[in-house]
Amino acid sequence: DAKTTQPPSMDCAEGRAANLPCNHSTISGNEYVYWYRQIHSQGPQYIIHGLKNNETNEMASLIITEDRKSSTLILPHATLRDTAVYYCIVRVAIGGSQGNLIFGKGTKLSVKP
Amino acid sequence: NAGVTQTPKFQVLKTGQSMTLQCAQDMNHEYMSWYRQDPGMGLRLIHYSVGAGITDQGEVPNGYNVSRSTTEDFPLRLLSAAPSQTSVYFCASSYSITGNSPLHFGNGTRLTVT
Repeated sequence: DAKTTQPPSMDCAEGRAANLPCNHSTISGNEYVYWYRQIHSQGPQYIIHGLKNNETNEMASLIITEDRKSSTLILPHATLRDTAVYYCIVRVAIGGSQGNLIFGKGTKLSVKP
Repeated sequence: NAGVTQTPKFQVLKTGQSMTLQCAQDMNHEYMSWYRQDPGMGLRLIHYSVGAGITDQGEVPNGYNVSRSTTEDFPLRLLSAAPSQTSVYFCASSYSITGNSPLHFGNGTRLTVT
C-alpha cells in the first residue's frame, strides 16, 4: 500500500499557484519525499524531491513540514499544460525493495482558463 | 540526451506469442526497472536490476523474464503472452539505488494481447 495520502482531485485557475498537499505520517527518517506527474498516458515525469529541507527547482517548490509528516508541492504559475495526475511518493529505503517507488492514486489537477 | 528509450510504442500480440520489450538508457545509470500500469491499479514493479549481470523480481514478475548484459539495456521478455498482460509498460532508471536518486521513466509500450 502507498504510504501517502492525497486528495483525489483539485482545480486551479491558469496563472495562479497550484498547491498540492500530501500526508505521509509514517515516513521514516531516511526516506525521501518525491513528486512525479503523469500527463495522459505518458511516462511519469520527475518533478522534485526532498528529505527535510524545502527544495526549489525550475518546475516547482517542495515544502516539507518540520515533523516531515506532510508536504506541499507548489507550481507557482500553473498553465493548461500542467493538467496531469500528480503523485506524492515516499522513496522506500534501500533494502528488500531496492529503491522501488510505490505509486498511489495521486491527485488529478485540472488547470482551467 | 535521449534519456530512457522504449520500443516499440505499441504492440498487439496473440495469446501464446512471445516478444521482447526494449529499454535503453544513455545516462550511465546503474539501476533499471520495469513497471506495468493498469487502470485503477497504479504502477507495479515487475523486475529490476541494480547493475549489469544482476536482476531481481518485483511485485508482479510471473510471465516475464529480464536480463542485464550491459549497463545501457534492460529488455523485458514475455514468454507466452496472455490477455492478463495487456497493459502499459514503463521502463525506468536511476543513477543509483539510494533514496536521493530520482527515477527517470520512458514513455511506455502499450501492449494488447488478444
